[in-house]
Amino acid sequence: EIVLTQSPGTLSLSPGERATLSCRATQSVTNSYLAWYQQKPGQAPRLLIYGASSRATGIPDRFSGSGSGTDFTLTISRLEPEDFAVFYCQQYGSSPPYTFGQGTKLEIK
Amino acid sequence: EVQLLESGGGSVQPGGSLRVSCAASGFTFSNYAMNWVRQAPGKGLEWVSVISGSGGSTHYADSVKGRFTISRDNSKNTVHLQMSSLRAEDTAIYYCAKDSWRSFFDYWGQGILVTVSS
Repeated sequence: EIVLTQSPGTLSLSPGERATLSCRATQSVTNSYLAWYQQKPGQAPRLLIYGASSRATGIPDRFSGSGSGTDFTLTISRLEPEDFAVFYCQQYGSSPPYTFGQGTKLEIK
Repeated sequence: EVQLLESGGGSVQPGGSLRVSCAASGFTFSNYAMNWVRQAPGKGLEWVSVISGSGGSTHYADSVKGRFTISRDNSKNTVHLQMSSLRAEDTAIYYCAKDSWRSFFDYWGQGILVTVSS
């Protein structure tokens, strides 16, 4: 089973700043089948990125994903007030189980 | 518009059983695998189970294998999760999530709370 480790656990930034979130896998993720989700309090997760770098429908272009192999990054180029939330990575490159990282909380500084 | 609506949650004693369901609309249900993902209070996301579009293939997380059963009724656009031998650590919000074409989850339900407590 692939284990995903996200860092940092909490990231404190101000609106307008750039956010960089990391997701590291214990083994190579097949075909970069890595997704990112955003979850706000009391809401279901929302798909942001799939295939490591493809934005889901309706996701603003300030969100971007990159990486391959075992190291992946979610970047938010210029934070908006509505971007503050918890972010999860998920690998779907191998047969189940489909594992999630433990999450990174992005909070307002 | 894709909609997923969970139902059937509630409170149950340890060792008991409960079935949660998810009614889907807005897409050709039988064409897509469906998943259950759970989130314990204040914790992260845990994938629980997946069922193929035809219902012929299922997979489970080790934490629920042998206790939970996923099924679907394509005539009613519904997926179920039958949970038995429930434990306190099964307490969570259970989300129904639609598979994309490649096992990431493009739509999620609003979630349903299952509480296992004496």
